[in-house]
Parts: sequence; C-alpha cells; structure tokens
Amino acid sequence: AQSVAQPEDQVNVAEGNPLTVKCTYSVSGNPYLFWYVQYPNRGLQFLLKYITGDNLVKGSYGFEAEFNKSQTSFHLKKPSALVSDSALYFCAVRAANAGNNRKLIWGLGTSLAVNP
Amino acid sequence: EPEVTQTPSHQVTQMGQEVILRCVPISNHLYFYWYRQILGQKVEFLVSFYNNEISEKSEIFDDQFSVERPDGSNFTLKIRSTKLEDSAMYFCASSLGTSSYNEQFFGPGTRLTVL
Repeated sequence: AQSVAQPEDQVNVAEGNPLTVKCTYSVSGNPYLFWYVQYPNRGLQFLLKYITGDNLVKGSYGFEAEFNKSQTSFHLKKPSALVSDSALYFCAVRAANAGNNRKLIWGLGTSLAVNP
Repeated sequence: EPEVTQTPSHQVTQMGQEVILRCVPISNHLYFYWYRQILGQKVEFLVSFYNNEISEKSEIFDDQFSVERPDGSNFTLKIRSTKLEDSAMYFCASSLGTSSYNEQFFGPGTRLTVL
C-alpha cells in the first residue's frame, strides 16, 4: 500500500538558519512526489514536485527538495528560513505507474515555526 | 493568477440533512478532485472526475456522496444524508490533466460541521 510519513509533527528553526522538513514514502514502482504548504485559513499551495531526472528539484519561495531513491525520502529544504515560512507543510505521493488514477496520498503534515 | 474557489467557507448542518459543497476549478483544467481532512488526521482522497464522469473514487466515497459538473464552471460535492463523522474540511482541487504528473491546485476548503 502507498503511504507517506512525515516523522516530525513540528520543526522549529531560527530565522536565517537552514531548514529541513522530512518526508519518506512507500509506493510500488517509481514515485511522483509533491510538497504543498498551507497557511492559516488558506488552501494547500503547491511548492514543488519530483517526476524524474535530477534528484534536486527547486520550487517556489526558495524551497528545494532532494529525492533519494535508496532511502525513499523526499526532504524539503531551504538554505535560509524566513519568519513568513511558518506554516504547515505536506508531502504527497502517487505511483508513476498508476495510469490515469491520480489520487495523492498524503503525510500528516509538519508544522514549521521560524523564530525571529 | 487563476485559482480554485470554494463556497461556502463554513457550512453547519444537522445530521441527516443534505449538503452541497461548491467549487469553481481553474478554467482550462480537465481533472477535478475532492479531498477531505478530518481534524488532526491526514488529507484523504475522495474522488476524481474527468470527462464528465468519475475517474477514481475511494472507499470513503459511498452511495451517500455524489459529484456533478452542472455547467461549464462549477463542480459540486453532494452528501445526501450527513453523519457526524462527515465533519471535516473539504478541499476541491483541479489539474491540467494533460500529464498524469500535473500538480493539483487546491481551493481554500469548506469546513463542514455536522451537529
């Protein structure tokens, strides 16, 4: 069965420091991986995705994520955190061989708090 | 920038009542989705819709649920007889649909409270 794990409920980081939000996945075959962010009272906003190719993908707002097939991970990173990055971050996956079935499987989310 | 919109933002209803949640997907998108998130739990897939029919549905999407695209812009989720456990945030999403890895764009959600 497909699944996503975000092992940390909350991540705290000081402004200006690098941040990492962890995600591991389980899927049959190759994955399509996504990161979304949710600000209070807002919908889920797409940040970035991994489809194939370069393991390091860059997305919106200076975020990037590294796909590691051997560790089945897709950790979200940013070199220098901003207070405005404080939000809830969700990792999602679907199997590349799922054909036209496009449902996303989600992690529980990680609350990121960036302290000034 | 085009966005997915949802109405209402909050719906309160009595158990057993019917509710209709409305969504306007991004205009050139072809695939539409409903997800829900019960408080403190994971976002769960409900249904996807393409070419005027259901493409995929989860085990949650039983006979009490239905979806419709009544015109060229709206996409609705109907719950015929609400239960307490239907209380959740319901998210509508849409994607281009030209590739199976197109990202999904989400609306702000409708918070459904069943009393």
